[in-house]
Amino acid sequence: TQLLEQSPQFLSIQEGENLTVYCNSSSVFSSLQWYRQEPGEGPVLLVTVVTGGEVKKLKRLTFQFGDARKDSSLHITAAQPGDTGLYLCAGGNNYQLIWGAGTKLIIKP
Amino acid sequence: GAVVSQHPSRVICKSGTSVKIECRSLDFQATTMFWYRQFPKQSLMLMATSNEGSKATYEQGVEKDKFLINHASLTLSTLTVTSAHPEDSSFYICSARDPNGGAYEQYFGPGTRLTVT
Repeated sequence: TQLLEQSPQFLSIQEGENLTVYCNSSSVFSSLQWYRQEPGEGPVLLVTVVTGGEVKKLKRLTFQFGDARKDSSLHITAAQPGDTGLYLCAGGNNYQLIWGAGTKLIIKP
Repeated sequence: GAVVSQHPSRVICKSGTSVKIECRSLDFQATTMFWYRQFPKQSLMLMATSNEGSKATYEQGVEKDKFLINHASLTLSTLTVTSAHPEDSSFYICSARDPNGGAYEQYFGPGTRLTVT
């Protein structure tokens, strides 16, 4: 069974601070996606990484795929209250998506 | 692009009745759609994979006779919760795979909050 461990499960920080969310697995993934979900809404795709070592930036968000394509991280610089939400990672393999448990992020003004 | 709609957004029904939820891909044809269930403060739980023109593939532990899925066209999949009970109350979300996108990228509908009284 493929597992994708996401940490931390919950994070509450002050506006302006930096943070990193991690997704780790013992399995190799063909690609890995990060989604953001707000309460009462469906997840929204933020980014897809497919190449080992790949780094993608989306404004203040930096996504990295591990060299071995087993892990990924999401780093947010100078977090803002608008970044509050549930962040989900999902690894793709054999035409299936394996989901992380999610990180509930709260940015306090 | 890659917009998915879901209807209704909220529904309240009495125990024993059936509820149908629609999922539509608005600007692309989706040969594959997915149905998820999400409990409060938890991640997504895949219920079934819906393929246009064929029977849905259900995940282990999901009752196919209770959660009926129909994917009759390339833009519409429906989930019918039959003989609903209070324990079926949950947030149901559909997603669709855009054939022009990445192999694993899924685009989600806004979800349906089902409350069974």
